[in-house]
Amino acid sequence: GAGVSQSPSNKVTEKGKDVELRCDPISGHTALYWYRQSLGQGLEFLIYFQGNSAPDKSGLPSDRFSAERTGGSVSTLTIQRTQQEDSAVYLCASSGRTGSYGMNTEAFFGQGTRLTVV
Amino acid sequence: DQQVKQNSPSLSVQEGRISILNCDYTNSMFDYFLWYKKYPAEGPTFLISISSIKDKNEDGRFTVFLNKSAKHLSLHIVPSQPGDSAVYFCAAIFYGGSQGNLIFGKGTKLSVKP
Repeated sequence: GAGVSQSPSNKVTEKGKDVELRCDPISGHTALYWYRQSLGQGLEFLIYFQGNSAPDKSGLPSDRFSAERTGGSVSTLTIQRTQQEDSAVYLCASSGRTGSYGMNTEAFFGQGTRLTVV
Repeated sequence: DQQVKQNSPSLSVQEGRISILNCDYTNSMFDYFLWYKKYPAEGPTFLISISSIKDKNEDGRFTVFLNKSAKHLSLHIVPSQPGDSAVYFCAAIFYGGSQGNLIFGKGTKLSVKP
């Protein structure tokens, strides 16, 4: 597809279960970001992948959160032993690079996955 | 420590008038600034951007102004329309920073009343 695709669009899970959220970035985009938005809050950075470089994991809130990006394309965000405070909309974005300095251009977002932990 | 700040959580404007959304930042090394618009239940969509070497960028009804000395940027929407009602996020890119170079403010909810 032409845009960033996320699945599932909605996920309801029981507390303590593990969940996997998937992101298909725009083809050719080297940068991939995960953010989350809790109710009434702004965009909270989680993790950033850039090409083959080591990801920037500085935003992950706990060691229950992890993410991988296979083949420089699809990414999976995994939350282990989910807690109710993990309930949020999880947003994925990707961006390409442009110019002689290879700088990231604006990021394009998917529709998000709404995670509800009950 | 918030590097990108949107101090007004909400703004209400009459249709046809100007909407001015403000954003302040603390890092003078930011190279590029962006505005995103978000409707409920949708992902943010890119609206307009400005390089740190410019002070104004215009696209139709949307104009972004950058004041580097004040570390301040603003988004002007003229004339405002009810369809502009959304949450607007300011974002900044620092080539070489952490947080994936793309840092967001907390957003301002704009309501345009008919």
